[in-house]
Amino acid sequence: QSVLTQPPSVSAAPGQKVTISCSGSSSNIKNNYVSWYQHLPETAPKLLISENNKRPSGIPDRFSGSKSGTSATLGITGLQTGDEAVYYCATWDSSLSAGVFGGGTKLTVL
Amino acid sequence: EVQLVESGGGLVQPGGSLRLSCAASGFTFSYYWINWVRQAPGKGLVWVSRISGDGSSTNYADSVKGRFTISRDNTKNTVYLQANSLRAEDTAVYYCARGMFRDGMDVWGQGTTVSVSS
Repeated sequence: QSVLTQPPSVSAAPGQKVTISCSGSSSNIKNNYVSWYQHLPETAPKLLISENNKRPSGIPDRFSGSKSGTSATLGITGLQTGDEAVYYCATWDSSLSAGVFGGGTKLTVL
Repeated sequence: EVQLVESGGGLVQPGGSLRLSCAASGFTFSYYWINWVRQAPGKGLVWVSRISGDGSSTNYADSVKGRFTISRDNTKNTVYLQANSLRAEDTAVYYCARGMFRDGMDVWGQGTTVSVSS
């Protein structure tokens, strides 16, 4: 059971937009920065969003992040088949003194 | 090229030990926190441990506390994860990753596989 809650799966057609939610609590999301990762099978996870909404160099602006209270959201516009992956939110939990990941959301581009 | 390379995984019996290594290159190693993150077969990513750049600060997930020890040798640009009293539920691909949760873990290794089975 993950400390952060994500939907197990989302889907949308190519070119459409999708959002992935990440729900936590005051000990993690509310008072710490959230990052998002893309994980393709047999590859290393890739940082998409840091500090709630910052895109590292090389990450297209189709990817965006936001945070409000105890929840965070990853948005992906202009969906491409190459975006099919599992997406994870992550943050620090001040009560646990530990890092926490969401359970992951599998994105299917129909 | 900035990279992290893990090694040391393998097949071990329950109760056994392994030492995983994460070798860094292409950046000033001592400036960065290093994390270990694992993924069990068919499951999601789970954070395991982290160590500060100078090695003075460490944190562990409850599931490994008391059994795993993280350390680093900045002269060798390497972080270690000593895993003792291994259990079947420790079976996973273990990744090392650079950075703090605030800034995001921006460099990841390809992973090393640990299998705990009799």
